[in-house]
Amino acid sequence: DAGVTQSPTHLIKTRGQQVTLRCSPKSGHDTVSWYQQALGQGPQFIFQYYEEEERQRGNFPDRFSGHQFPNYSSELNVNALLLGDSALYLCASSYSLAGRYEQFFGPGTRLTVL
Amino acid sequence: AQTVTQSQPEMSVQEAETVTLSCTYDTSESDYYLFWYKQPPSRQMILVIRQEAYKQQNATENRFSVNFQKAAKSFSLKISDSQLGDAAMYFCAYIRGNTPLVFGKGTRLSVIA
Repeated sequence: DAGVTQSPTHLIKTRGQQVTLRCSPKSGHDTVSWYQQALGQGPQFIFQYYEEEERQRGNFPDRFSGHQFPNYSSELNVNALLLGDSALYLCASSYSLAGRYEQFFGPGTRLTVL
Repeated sequence: AQTVTQSQPEMSVQEAETVTLSCTYDTSESDYYLFWYKQPPSRQMILVIRQEAYKQQNATENRFSVNFQKAAKSFSLKISDSQLGDAAMYFCAYIRGNTPLVFGKGTRLSVIA
């Protein structure tokens, strides 16, 4: 049973560029949440997708957008990259009918903005 | 808004000894879940232990146990018989209903051989 997978592992971009990160949830899970983890900090919630819709959103600008596909996989898009967007981006999946309390995390994508 | 506070940025423990990591949280809710996650250098966030707020009994998972004090809004993690593989960042987290996980800033645990 594959756990949560994310791609790519690492990414280097320059300011102003756009980036897309991908996440495949754990088998049987239907909800995907994205978190940003700055160096030395705890993860901060970006948004959550369920039934291909954004259900909740944290305090992040509109430059951060996402998508969920019918197979429950998800993408995180960040436009007009800023130096401050450099962070580890974590995807977590959960199962709606189990209350979404227990979230399983992927290994993350390390984004560096130069 | 709910907040989670971990007041110990770094802790160290001798191999085979016991260490306790502290966590406090702020909420006006009565029904919620608390978690301890471990994040080793590999970056994978691994669930260590969970506690349902409605349960008075403290959760235990092998060498890991918690001291859940609901009235004091305290949720500490005790690691017994510490092993080198326990070295990692440990995050305390809170969740209620369909709200997202709220994390503390983490405690870096070093294990000394």
